[in-house]
Amino acid sequence: DAKTTQPNSMESNEEEPVHLPCNHSTISGTDYIHWYRQLPSQGPEYVIHGLTSNVNNRMASLAIAEDRKSSTLILHRATLRDAAVYYCILTLIQGAQKLVFGQGTRLTINP
Amino acid sequence: GAVVSQHPSWVICKSGTSVKIECRSLDFQATTMFWYRQFPKQSLMLMATSNEGSKATYEQGVEKDKFLINHASLTLSTLTVTSAHPEDSSFYICSAQGQSNYGYTFGSGTRLTVV
Repeated sequence: DAKTTQPNSMESNEEEPVHLPCNHSTISGTDYIHWYRQLPSQGPEYVIHGLTSNVNNRMASLAIAEDRKSSTLILHRATLRDAAVYYCILTLIQGAQKLVFGQGTRLTINP
Repeated sequence: GAVVSQHPSWVICKSGTSVKIECRSLDFQATTMFWYRQFPKQSLMLMATSNEGSKATYEQGVEKDKFLINHASLTLSTLTVTSAHPEDSSFYICSAQGQSNYGYTFGSGTRLTVV
């Protein structure tokens, strides 16, 4: 499985944008970039995924570098409810592929 | 969107007993489900891949005779922790892939405490 590297922790203020980076220098051409987040004592929650182009949904935006060796999850206006551990994961999307979780980034939001 | 229901949300059992955890896909069929374990302050560790109608595929180091997985229908997978011991105390989470546009859906997790 291709490896991803994320900072252990980040901190931001409420109502400010947050940029969560992820490095995946060994990504292959068929790997999709997934982001999940886990709130305390809950199962992970899907946030967004993409292949080459930047993606937007109601939760966040995903900016993918042109060489695909890194990506950034963007929370446009953080709230206290966005405090969670964010995981960046690579996987093939054809068929049901197992997700292998790294350590993720623990995001703290200050009021 | 896809919903995965996991029960129980927490369970306390005595050492040596067995515990069954259920994972149901409520509004979609899941031929494949995944089981994870998470210890405090750690990330999720994949235990096994559950395949409907066939044997589960276990990750290296996971005892298949201790963690029994049954996936008898397209909407239900169960994990049974047999002869549980205190070191099996953990947060167990299942997941399944719904519609591809929504990625993978996870259950809410089961916190197992073995005393």
